[in-house]
Amino acid sequence: AQSVSQHNHHVILSEAASLELGCNYSYGGTVNLFWYVQYPGQHLQLLLKYFSGDPLVKGIKGFEAEFIKSKFSFNLRKPSVQWSDTAEYFCAVFYNTNAGKSTFGDGTTLTVKP
Amino acid sequence: DVKVTQSSRYLVKRTGEKVFLECVQDMDHENMFWYRQDPGLGLRLIYFSYDVKMKEKGDIPEGYSVSREKKERFSLILESASTNQTSMYLCASSLGAGQGYEQYFGPGTRLTVT
Repeated sequence: AQSVSQHNHHVILSEAASLELGCNYSYGGTVNLFWYVQYPGQHLQLLLKYFSGDPLVKGIKGFEAEFIKSKFSFNLRKPSVQWSDTAEYFCAVFYNTNAGKSTFGDGTTLTVKP
Repeated sequence: DVKVTQSSRYLVKRTGEKVFLECVQDMDHENMFWYRQDPGLGLRLIYFSYDVKMKEKGDIPEGYSVSREKKERFSLILESASTNQTSMYLCASSLGAGQGYEQYFGPGTRLTVT
């Protein structure tokens, strides 16, 4: 079965620290990759996405992610986090064999201390 | 902007009641989804629909059914609510093939079954 693994369930950082959240997916051929974010009390929204081309993609609010096909990974990074980045982050993978649905990871809760 | 709306933000029902959760999207998306979100379990797909009157089971369909009579509306039905269905329910919609399947989420309905 296709699966998505997020390595960290809860990450606590101080402001200005660098962030890297891991995401690995099971082998499944061609994939589209997403990171979604859910700020406290708000709905899930897209942070960034990879379909093809440059494996380093940039999203909103200074986030970026790198697709490494050989490692089946799509890690999320930010060089300097802010208190407002406190949120839950979900990695999602769309496998082109999956008739329109994506598989989500379990989520990583990020707490940024001011 | 794509808008996905859900009929209620909070709902309290009794065990055994029939519960209807409604979702409407305004961007003519082919695909619509129902997830439940529980702490530590991420998003789990209940059902999805890729066209009017078409539906497919997700990962946890037991105890749920769905209805899609119009393209913009996707309903989730709990035939006989149970306490283990207390959860946050998220509706989403997405474009179809060739457009990456990026999903747009509603604000969620927090259902409590007593």
